[in-house]
Amino acid sequence: DTAVSQTPKYLVTQMGNDKSIKCEQNLGHDTMYWYKQDSKKFLKIMFSYNNKELIINETVPNRFSPKSPDKAHLNLHINSLELGDSAVYFCASSQVERVQETQYFGPGTRLLVL
Amino acid sequence: DQQVKQNSPSLSVQEGRISILNCDYTNSMFDYFLWYKKYPAEGPTFLISISSIKDKNEDGRFTVFLNKSAKHLSLHIVPSQPGDSAVYFCAASVSGNTGKLIFGQGTTLQVKP
Repeated sequence: DTAVSQTPKYLVTQMGNDKSIKCEQNLGHDTMYWYKQDSKKFLKIMFSYNNKELIINETVPNRFSPKSPDKAHLNLHINSLELGDSAVYFCASSQVERVQETQYFGPGTRLLVL
Repeated sequence: DQQVKQNSPSLSVQEGRISILNCDYTNSMFDYFLWYKKYPAEGPTFLISISSIKDKNEDGRFTVFLNKSAKHLSLHIVPSQPGDSAVYFCAASVSGNTGKLIFGQGTTLQVKP
């Protein structure tokens, strides 16, 4: 029974399209995150939500919009996809929004924009 | 400006020997450090952490050392096993900073049987 799941695992799409990535956690955690792993392999935080409230919003183009319908779900919608959006996107969750709390990661969504 | 750097993209060691993975950081405000391990097609999993009030933390075969003056930490794996072959990410944060982790770019460890 997967703790943090993401769908889809792979996403290939054309420039200019709009796409969504879904994330669900069944750990009962209050906090969820989105990370982007770019071509240089750095994992960079994009957003975090605590109990459906936006906590962290890094310098991310406003084409990226996270949505948290409930505390078990954090979806990422991307408008007008660009070539540079190609990356692996990881969702994660933790009990609360403290760095000392272990973050549990999903398997990642590999996005390729053509 | 990458605040956390892992300058060795890869490391290869023989089974049974010690693996030493290194990480440097630039932000003196960082006071909590973590190592994550990642297998292909999986997400990173937490391995071990250390607070800046300590200079060493040990968990079984894994030990993390922190040198605050040098802004350097290292992960030692003794003895290394083939199942340890993975990508290891170093991460740093400021306590109380809303769970925000700054990750390095990872080091790929290969442990040869």
